[in-house]
Amino acid sequence: NAGVMQNPRHLVRRRGQEARLRCSPMKGHSHVYWYRQLPEEGLKFMVYLQKENIIDESGMPKERFSAEFPKEGPSILRIQQVVRGDSAAYFCASSPGGMDQPQHFGDGTRLSIL
Amino acid sequence: GDSVTQMEGPVTLSEEAFLTINCTYTATGYPSLFWYVQYPGEGLQLLLKATKADDKGSNKGFEATYRKETTSFHLEKGSVQVSDSAVYFCALSAKTPLVFGKGTRLSVIA
Repeated sequence: NAGVMQNPRHLVRRRGQEARLRCSPMKGHSHVYWYRQLPEEGLKFMVYLQKENIIDESGMPKERFSAEFPKEGPSILRIQQVVRGDSAAYFCASSPGGMDQPQHFGDGTRLSIL
Repeated sequence: GDSVTQMEGPVTLSEEAFLTINCTYTATGYPSLFWYVQYPGEGLQLLLKATKADDKGSNKGFEATYRKETTSFHLEKGSVQVSDSAVYFCALSAKTPLVFGKGTRLSVIA
């Protein structure tokens, strides 16, 4: 019973490059959430997706950030033209239903911007 | 908007000591309340939850009671172990994305 799988675990990018973070939800889960954790801070919600649909993107910056959850394959969080302030741990969670269901988290992707 | 406030860390305890980590919340509606634990280098694991007032969530010796009158959900454990060293996050959801506190780092020394 694989849990939520995120890759890569660590990602290093130079300023101006693109970062792609992948998340495969738990088997049977069709709801995916992305959170960002800055050092010594709690997690902040970014975006909530169901298959092929963005349900809530209220926590995602309007520029440079995008997310998708295609019919086939993992969910992708994409950050274009990265800046130093994007350095953080990005966590994906999944649930079998809506937001009243417990969310199961992956181990995160730690993004470092040089 | 909804928010969660939990006690600042770090908290350092000796093995077998009693643990309390305070958590209070502000929310419209009737949120579900959660405690998550994060071990070094890992994601968050759900520790316990409560979905309505006076519910008590419990797991692995940890307990927390949903107190609507004081808008609190304090985490307690009667006797901590070294393996409990981690960061603990209080969170709420009112059929909304999870809102987290800043986390409390617990270190238990033998």
